[in-house]
Amino acid sequence: DGGITQSPKYLFRKEGQNVTLSCEQNLNHDAMYWYRQDPGQGLRLIYYSQIVNDFQKGDIAEGYSVSREKKESFPLTVTSAQKNPTAFYLCASLSLGQPQHFGDGTRLSIL
Amino acid sequence: QKEVEQNSGPLSVPEGAIASLNCTYSDRGSQSFFWYRQYSGKSPELIMFIYSNGDKEDGRFTAQLNKASQYVSLLIRDSQPSDSATYLCATRLNRDDKIIFGKGTRLHILP
Repeated sequence: DGGITQSPKYLFRKEGQNVTLSCEQNLNHDAMYWYRQDPGQGLRLIYYSQIVNDFQKGDIAEGYSVSREKKESFPLTVTSAQKNPTAFYLCASLSLGQPQHFGDGTRLSIL
Repeated sequence: QKEVEQNSGPLSVPEGAIASLNCTYSDRGSQSFFWYRQYSGKSPELIMFIYSNGDKEDGRFTAQLNKASQYVSLLIRDSQPSDSATYLCATRLNRDDKIIFGKGTRLHILP
């Protein structure tokens, strides 16, 4: 079955540590997105990528980094510079002219 | 700052009645409009999308778009307790594939 796979489902970060969230899609979608959702809030765009080896900052990119070396993969690194990383992280993808579809999310907490 | 505005709710509707959810957007460059349903702790799932002015119906759901008024709505007929969730409105700017979400409206269907 085609879909978007995010891993891990739960992740814990220690002070000063960088952590990487995985997002893989087998839908042959061109564009991929990372969102952050805080309790009771909507989705805020962190980064998005329309093609391989290219990506753009969203509204809250500070403290995060991404790469897009393969069409299928768009990992997100939460760096130690992100002082408030506790949130629900959602990866999404879409093909031109089509709606966005989401993975199941990764819940990140601070130890 | 491009914005999508939604009433946060909660919106309480008796079972079997029509639930009406509203959304306004600020950027006239918005071309595509989406409604997602999100259950607590889960990722958003696509309910409806609409590109043209007017109504689009799918089962118990109807999306309505008025580009002149920059307004999009979602009607849910014969509301069921399982419709209780947060509904997210999103718009997409064709020029850069950026998708912007509102903060969502919490809907509570009263049995």
